[in-house]
Amino acid sequence: GDSVTQMEGPVTLSEEAFLTINCTYTATGYPSLFWYVQYPGEGLQLLLKATKADDKGSNKGFEATYRKETTSFHLEKGSVQVSDSAVYFCALTLNFGNEKLTFGTGTRLTIIP
Amino acid sequence: DVKVTQSSRYLVKRTGEKVFLECVQDMDHENMFWYRQDPGLGLRLIYFSYDVKMKEKGDIPEGYSVSREKKERFSLILESASTNQTSMYLCASLGAYTEAFFGQGTRLTVV
Repeated sequence: GDSVTQMEGPVTLSEEAFLTINCTYTATGYPSLFWYVQYPGEGLQLLLKATKADDKGSNKGFEATYRKETTSFHLEKGSVQVSDSAVYFCALTLNFGNEKLTFGTGTRLTIIP
Repeated sequence: DVKVTQSSRYLVKRTGEKVFLECVQDMDHENMFWYRQDPGLGLRLIYFSYDVKMKEKGDIPEGYSVSREKKERFSLILESASTNQTSMYLCASLGAYTEAFFGQGTRLTVV
């Protein structure tokens, strides 16, 4: 079945450090890929997405590139801030209309000043 | 501004009570989902629905049921609440070729 494997957390970084959170997937067909972020006490919100191979999603300084050859969608940011502290989820859908949204287990990120 | 609204942010219920969690979306999405979120376990899918009156079991349906009488509303029902159902519950909706939108979550405590 379809699955998303995400880097285990928690991750703790100093402010202005470089961030990478790894995400790989297994899917039949050609999925759309997403990163969602959950700030403390809130629901999930979309951070960025990519719908086909080699697309790069970007938002708020975060980027992720859809790599079909390595079935990966790693999240990166060049210089993290304390306000980036949150839980990050990688996810996929298969664009068939009636479908599930498959999530990774989430990675808790803490940025220290 | 698109919205998924869950009826309560916080709920406290007694063991054995029947509990209703309501979710409403205004985006005319076909697909709606209920997840529970627990520390260290990520998001686990309870039930989902891809059309009115249609429902599919997710990964952990035991102890839960759902109702979707109208397209915009998806209800999660705990038939007889137990302490192991204390959790954060998240509702989401998904249209074709779009991203999912989430409600703010309901933190349920069963005592």
